[in-house]
Amino acid sequence: AQSVSQHNHHVILSEAASLELGCNYSYGGTVNLFWYVQYPGQHLQLLLKYFSGDPLVKGIKGFEAEFIKSKFSFNLRKPSVQWSDTAEYFCAVIETDKLIFGTGTRLQVFP
Amino acid sequence: GAVVSQHPSWVICKSGTSVKIECRSLDFQATTMFWYRQFPKQSLMLMATSNEGSKATYEQGVEKDKFLINHASLTLSTLTVTSAHPEDSSFYICSATGPGAIQYFGAGTRLSVL
Repeated sequence: AQSVSQHNHHVILSEAASLELGCNYSYGGTVNLFWYVQYPGQHLQLLLKYFSGDPLVKGIKGFEAEFIKSKFSFNLRKPSVQWSDTAEYFCAVIETDKLIFGTGTRLQVFP
Repeated sequence: GAVVSQHPSWVICKSGTSVKIECRSLDFQATTMFWYRQFPKQSLMLMATSNEGSKATYEQGVEKDKFLINHASLTLSTLTVTSAHPEDSSFYICSATGPGAIQYFGAGTRLSVL
């Protein structure tokens, strides 16, 4: 079965710093990948997704992610974070219609 | 965008009682809904897949008699935690597959069993 690894458990940044959160899935073939965000006290929201095509995917709020098949990776990036990006970020992969989530990365951005 | 409503957002109950949590897709029909459990500072753990008009599919290790799931219509799935005990205290989240084959999530239900 698929598994998802997020190696950064807790990231602390100052505003305007660049962000990269790692995500690796366990095995290849055709994969559908997602990044979800959970702001404090709110529900999970989709940031971006990759199904096929251009491996560089752009999402909402200035986030992007790059699918690198050879590395089984789907890292999330943002060139300049804001205080409002403070949240929990989850990488996920679809396996037979089920979402398999990583353990999440808590991002704290300080002004 | 697609919205999933989950109710209640927080429930406190006595040990031994049952609690029902509702998950509704507000502006789309969902033949498939999912129920997750999230422990503090941990990821979402899929409990079961709820299929409209048929029995739910439970993940390994999830007691189907403990966590009863009913998906009676294309917009409503319910999770009933039967004879709840303190160890069942957790954050329960539902999702529904909506437009674009994306899963849309409810806001979650915090269950506290005394």
